[in-house]
Amino acid sequence: QSALTQPPSASGSPGQSVTISCTGTSSDVGGYNYVSWYQQHPGKAPKLMIYEVSKRPSGVPDRFSGSKSGNTASLTVSGLQAEDEADYYCTSYAGSYNLVFGGGTKLTVL
Amino acid sequence: QVQLVESGGGVVQPGRSLRLSCTASGFTFSSYGMHWVRQAPGKGLEWVAFIWYDGSKKYYADSVKGRFTISRDNSKNTLYLQMNSLRAEDTAVYYCARDYYGDYSRVDYWGQGTLVTVSS
Repeated sequence: QSALTQPPSASGSPGQSVTISCTGTSSDVGGYNYVSWYQQHPGKAPKLMIYEVSKRPSGVPDRFSGSKSGNTASLTVSGLQAEDEADYYCTSYAGSYNLVFGGGTKLTVL
Repeated sequence: QVQLVESGGGVVQPGRSLRLSCTASGFTFSSYGMHWVRQAPGKGLEWVAFIWYDGSKKYYADSVKGRFTISRDNSKNTLYLQMNSLRAEDTAVYYCARDYYGDYSRVDYWGQGTLVTVSS
């Protein structure tokens, strides 16, 4: 399975919104509503921020939202805060009990 | 609270074997499917393997198929990853993670990881 495509970096100023894209194919992102997003701070374990395209686990601020159109999923972070600076990874179910990840996006809060 | 603690990592020579463990607490381990996911130094995440809640079915990434074996002991709340014929490219931090619904839709809790370094 090929990795999903994410931009290597994204940035925004405090209070602004930023959107990170995640492009796959009809065999993964486009074929299933099983897209998740993870936040990872340096040296830490990934933290689930969004699952099933747009659902937020309890405790995740509503500043984080997810969506999908065709083969591309997106994570939007609104009202950027300093603590949002981290790496973000998308993942999608890819059929046949395979899970595929994106290459990661480093979000910088300017 | 949900807690996953990996152990067993270390430095191993190419071609040798290593077994990782993941001890779970704070939830009914026997009710959840579990994943292993790895992250090479400075790189992204890569799914490795998945096992059903009862251990009856197991799935692997092509990169480890035939070399790695995922298993679990529900009486000990422990997940395992037996890694054989290790290669340099297997060097990574290995995470165990819980699959909330058992269908890959919501992999919610992750451990802190254990580092495996394959080097001569």
